[in-house]
Amino acid sequence: QKEVEQNSGPLSVPEGAIASLNCTYSDRVSQSFFWYRQYSGKSPELIMSIYSNGDKEDGRFTAQLNKASQYVSLLIRDSQPSDSATYLCAVNSGSRLTFGEGTQLTVNP
Amino acid sequence: GAGVSQSPSNKVTEKGKDVELRCDPISGHTALYWYRQRLGQGLEFLIYFQGNSAPDKSGLPSDRFSAERTGESVSTLTIQRTQQEDSAVYLCASSIQWGGLYEQYFGPGTRLTVT
Repeated sequence: QKEVEQNSGPLSVPEGAIASLNCTYSDRVSQSFFWYRQYSGKSPELIMSIYSNGDKEDGRFTAQLNKASQYVSLLIRDSQPSDSATYLCAVNSGSRLTFGEGTQLTVNP
Repeated sequence: GAGVSQSPSNKVTEKGKDVELRCDPISGHTALYWYRQRLGQGLEFLIYFQGNSAPDKSGLPSDRFSAERTGESVSTLTIQRTQQEDSAVYLCASSIQWGGLYEQYFGPGTRLTVT
């Protein structure tokens, strides 16, 4: 089992829809969770961090964390073509961050 | 303020040559990380530095790889006797403190091509 697993893509949604990206992790004592966006040919860009169970909203983005289920998700509301990118889930394991393989999202105009 | 900077942005080298990659972290960030990302793959941890503490080198793939950091400033990643499998984007990130609790911010990366 991989330490951090993301739903396999690619994921395609129409413009204006909600995109849902999922991530599970194996280390029960993980405390910090991050979502990064990576455009093709660019480096990862931090878009959300979450540390407590529940939802955290920032603009069109909502991160959801359920530590009991070892599950973290990212919802993107009113998806735009500019949201088309690969989304990386990262989870701390001790002093390191472990990254998932990423989910490629395409938002179709 | 200025973000993480890396140089060069691109490097093409012949197999067997040594290369040196540079990272300048965000001012005030005490922790610095190096990752490798092969084409179409995820991020692979290489090494991290925290202040003057001994670095965690456990992710370095072979003894051809080494890294240094002077205090809390610039870091260099050196790859000796490069091989074609070393071709990848090398990413540097920094965070305000050591440990996975803190947000890491990435530089633009150095794309290394070994011919």
